[in-house]
Amino acid sequence: AQTVTQSQPEMSVQEAETVTLSCTYDTSESDYYLFWYKQPPSRQMILVIRQEAYKQQNATENRFSVNFQKAAKSFSLKISDSQLGDAAMYFCAYRNPYGAGSYQLTFGKGTKLSVIP
Amino acid sequence: GAGVSQSPSNKVTEKGKDVELRCDPISGHTALYWYRQSLGQGLEFLIYFQGNSAPDKSGLPSDRFSAERTGGSVSTLTIQRTQQEDSAVYLCASSLAARGYTEAFFGQGTRLTVV
Repeated sequence: AQTVTQSQPEMSVQEAETVTLSCTYDTSESDYYLFWYKQPPSRQMILVIRQEAYKQQNATENRFSVNFQKAAKSFSLKISDSQLGDAAMYFCAYRNPYGAGSYQLTFGKGTKLSVIP
Repeated sequence: GAGVSQSPSNKVTEKGKDVELRCDPISGHTALYWYRQSLGQGLEFLIYFQGNSAPDKSGLPSDRFSAERTGGSVSTLTIQRTQQEDSAVYLCASSLAARGYTEAFFGQGTRLTVV
């Protein structure tokens, strides 16, 4: 079974600085998707960024970028120029798009990010 | 509506009572998922519906939990004889399809508190 591990329960960053959130996962598959979701106090999960395992290029979305290390099974999220609105829970998630259970997202336990003004 | 809608937003119930949680997915989305988020935990898969296919109920924690989806649209998650360990946020999501990449859109969840 796939597992997703986020080893940092809480992180903090100064406004305008850069922070990196860590995520590792375990799978025997070669093709899969990885995601970072943001959950603000409103509870709604918002997709921040996704990475397809067969793509070597790291995904970027404005101030958000990932460092995808397939061999190490590592998928970290870097937030540049942190803003107060970035404060939230961040969840790393895995999905195998093929085979049984391909619709399931497997989530880590999350990292609570605080942004200090 | 424009997004996934869940009701109620918050629910407090007495131990032993039954509760129903509702999810209204994005129009046209054939896939619908229920997840449970317990305090300090990630999201735990509960059940999945895809079109007219039989639902995947493999994540339901006990036979006190059931869900249905009427007309391929609105879904109801029912918890019978609620227990304190059922206290959690229940999140619903929908997507266009299941295979390959399709983005799952989440609702704001129902926070269930069993007292």
